[in-house]
Amino acid sequence: AQSVAQPEDQVNVAEGNPLTVKCTYSVSGNPYLFWYVQYPNRGLQFLLKYITGDNLVKGSYGFEAEFNKSQTSFHLKKPSALVSDSALYFCAVRDLSSGMRFGAGTRLTVKP
Amino acid sequence: EAQVTQNPRYLITVTGKKLTVTCSQNMNHEYMSWYRQDPGLGLRQIYYSMNVEVTDKGDVPEGYKVSRKEKRNFPLILESPSPNQTSLYFCASSLGLERFTDTQYFGPGTRLTVL
Repeated sequence: AQSVAQPEDQVNVAEGNPLTVKCTYSVSGNPYLFWYVQYPNRGLQFLLKYITGDNLVKGSYGFEAEFNKSQTSFHLKKPSALVSDSALYFCAVRDLSSGMRFGAGTRLTVKP
Repeated sequence: EAQVTQNPRYLITVTGKKLTVTCSQNMNHEYMSWYRQDPGLGLRQIYYSMNVEVTDKGDVPEGYKVSRKEKRNFPLILESPSPNQTSLYFCASSLGLERFTDTQYFGPGTRLTVL
């Protein structure tokens, strides 16, 4: 079965510094990987996805993610964090039999 | 505006009192799904539907029912709620699973408390 793991419950960074939110995956076949963000009292919003092609995927709000097949990772990155980036981030993998499988989530806090 | 709506947004109820959480999408999506979100566990799928009259169990279906009589609606039914069903519930929809590049759209969530 497809699965993803987010090894960090919490990530803290200072505003202006680069941020990384980690995700590793386990799939049979080609991976279809996603990042979603959840702001307080809101539903999940799509950030970006990797289907095939370039290993560096660019998404919304200046975020990007790097697909690394050898390390089975799909880390989310941003060169310069904003306080408004503080939110809960979910990595997910497409399971073609049932839909989407999500990681446990990583809470990102960006401090001024 | 393309959206997924859920009602109610907040609900406090008592053990055993049947309730329904509605979900509706206006994007003509084939696929719909229900998730529950619990701290430290992320989102876990309850039920999903590939199309009208087609539903299937997700990872945590016990204590829940769904129906898909129309393409736009996918209600979640708790016949006899229990305190362990206290959670934040999300409905989501997408074009269809066969479309590998598909993205899911989420509703705003329903916070349910069962006393």
